[in-house]
Amino acid sequence: AQSVTQPDIHITVSEGASLELRCNYSYGATPYLFWYVQSPGQGLQLLLKYFSGDTLVQGIKGFEAEFKRSQSSFNLRKPSVHWSDAAEYFCAVGGGGATNKLIFGTGTLLAVQP
Amino acid sequence: DTGVSQDPRHKITKRGQNVTFRCDPISEHNRLYWYRQTLGQGPEFLTYFQNEAQLEKSRLLSDRFSAERPKGSFSTLEIQRTEQGDSAMYLCASSFQGSGELFFGEGSRLTVL
Repeated sequence: AQSVTQPDIHITVSEGASLELRCNYSYGATPYLFWYVQSPGQGLQLLLKYFSGDTLVQGIKGFEAEFKRSQSSFNLRKPSVHWSDAAEYFCAVGGGGATNKLIFGTGTLLAVQP
Repeated sequence: DTGVSQDPRHKITKRGQNVTFRCDPISEHNRLYWYRQTLGQGPEFLTYFQNEAQLEKSRLLSDRFSAERPKGSFSTLEIQRTEQGDSAMYLCASSFQGSGELFFGEGSRLTVL
């Protein structure tokens, strides 16, 4: 079955500290992988995506993610967190052009301490 | 603004009433998706269209739910005889066939009293 697991429901980090949000997926074919961010009451904004090629992808707002096929993981990282990064983060997997349909994880809520 | 737009942003209704949400996708996108998101959960796929054809429906889409995209542009999602369990954020997204990437709107939040 196709699924995405985000094992951390809630994470708190101090401003300026580094961040890593975990994502594991189960997908029968070559996955397209995404990270989205959602502020309260808002829609989803794409942070970054992986389709193929270099397994380390750069996104907006200083985020990056690394695709590790052997671990079925696509963890999101940021070297120095800003207070404005407080939001909910969703990892998603899809099959690409056939349907573009995405399956989402349950999200990780990030709080940033001053 | 050339992004995905949804209307209304918020809807409060009484149980048993019908509600309709509208989504206007990015103009050059031929695919349109509806997702539902409840509190503390990730978005769950409901249905998607390619042009005017509805190609897939989730089992989450009960008989009380109907979605249309009559001219292959905007789409509507209607919920008949609303129940309290329908309270959620309804998200619309669009994409261009083959791109692999979805662009989301701000969502329509439904509260059923």
